[in-house]
Amino acid sequence: QSVLTQPPSASGTPGQRVTISCSGSSSNIVSNSLNWYQQLPGTAPKLLIYSNNQRPSGVPDRFSGSKSGTSASLAISGLQSEDEADYYCSAWDDSLDGYVFGPGTKVTVL
Amino acid sequence: EVQLVDSGGGLVQPGGSLRLSCAASGFTFTTYAMSWVRQAPGEGLEWVSAISPGGVSIYYADSVKGRFTISRDNSKNTLYLQMHSLRAEDTAIYYCAKHGMGKHFDNWGQGTLVTVSS
Repeated sequence: QSVLTQPPSASGTPGQRVTISCSGSSSNIVSNSLNWYQQLPGTAPKLLIYSNNQRPSGVPDRFSGSKSGTSASLAISGLQSEDEADYYCSAWDDSLDGYVFGPGTKVTVL
Repeated sequence: EVQLVDSGGGLVQPGGSLRLSCAASGFTFTTYAMSWVRQAPGEGLEWVSAISPGGVSIYYADSVKGRFTISRDNSKNTLYLQMHSLRAEDTAIYYCAKHGMGKHFDNWGQGTLVTVSS
């Protein structure tokens, strides 16, 4: 059982907005930065959002992150076919003294 | 351009050992912490271990504590993961990951597959 929880799947049609939630606790999301990773099929993960809402250079501004209390969310606006991937939230956990990942959310573009 | 090249994976019997390597280039290796993250077939990501830039601070997931050892050779820009007492549940793709200036992984290797089976 993951320390962080995410819905297993999300979907939308091209152009729609999709939101993925990530729920945790005071020892991870509340006290540390929340990060999001995108994993396209058959490839290594890629950093998508760091420090709750920062985009690395090269990441389209269609992707945005937010955090409030014990929850965080990733929003994809203007959904595109190339956004079909698995998305993972992650944070450092002060109680475990280690990084934790959510179970991942598979985004399907209908 | 940051490059992380993972190697050393393969087929090993239960109880066996294996050493993974991650060759880094394109950045000042001695400045950044590094981690290993694994992914079992069809499963999600699991953080395995992290090491500080100088190698002084080291952290492990409970699932590998006492069996795996992370290390780095800053003169060779290389990260290692020595794995002992391997179990079937250690079967996974192992990725090395460079930390950013914060608690996130900003670059990942291509991964190396470890299969533990008799």
